[in-house]
Amino acid sequence: DIVMTQSPDSLAVSLGERATINCKSSQSVLYSSNNKNFLAWYQQKPGQPPKLLIYWASTRESGVPDRFSGSGSGTDFTLTISSLQAEDVGVYYCQQFYSSPCTFGQGTKLEI
Amino acid sequence: EVQLVDSGGGLVQPGGSLRLSCAASGFTVSTNYMSWVRQAPGTGLEWVSVVYTGGNSYYADSVQGRFTISRDISKNILYLQMNSLRAEDTAVYYCARGVSTSFYWYFDLWGRGTLVTVSS
Repeated sequence: DIVMTQSPDSLAVSLGERATINCKSSQSVLYSSNNKNFLAWYQQKPGQPPKLLIYWASTRESGVPDRFSGSGSGTDFTLTISSLQAEDVGVYYCQQFYSSPCTFGQGTKLEI
Repeated sequence: EVQLVDSGGGLVQPGGSLRLSCAASGFTVSTNYMSWVRQAPGTGLEWVSVVYTGGNSYYADSVQGRFTISRDISKNILYLQMNSLRAEDTAVYYCARGVSTSFYWYFDLWGRGTLVTVSS
């Protein structure tokens, strides 16, 4: 199985500041034939299910604010929130869908 | 409205059985890759099972042989039959709609989850 490792485990950021979450996969999730990275990011708020934010490592899901952005390729990926808002508090997960079983990172808890 | 409503969780003894349901509205279960994903208390997410549009189903090693995923096309409902339950199956179970890619899926729609507790 591909192991997804996120860092840090928790992060405290001031309102309006930038938040950066990292995700590393144990093997590449880049498919060379189409040059796509099979990686997604989710946000989970307390008591709620996960919500899709980003797929193909950098494509924002419809309706997701543009302060959320994804980057990276191969085995190293980053989720950036450019200007933290109060409603962004929660746990963030990365997921690879390149290999079966699809696997998630352990999560990064984002606090104000 | 496009949504998933999962139900059927509860308290069950080790070795017991439970069937979870996930009612879909606003789209058709049978034309999508539908999965169950679970989250043990205070931990991360674990994919459990998927049913493809053609009806083929696949399972995580941890539940293979004990869990069965199915769907009722007429009712637009996804199920997860869980047998021989163990303490380590305790989790919130989410049904989720998968977006098909060249390989596997990411999940663009999730139910609110149903809690399964396995304990004597």
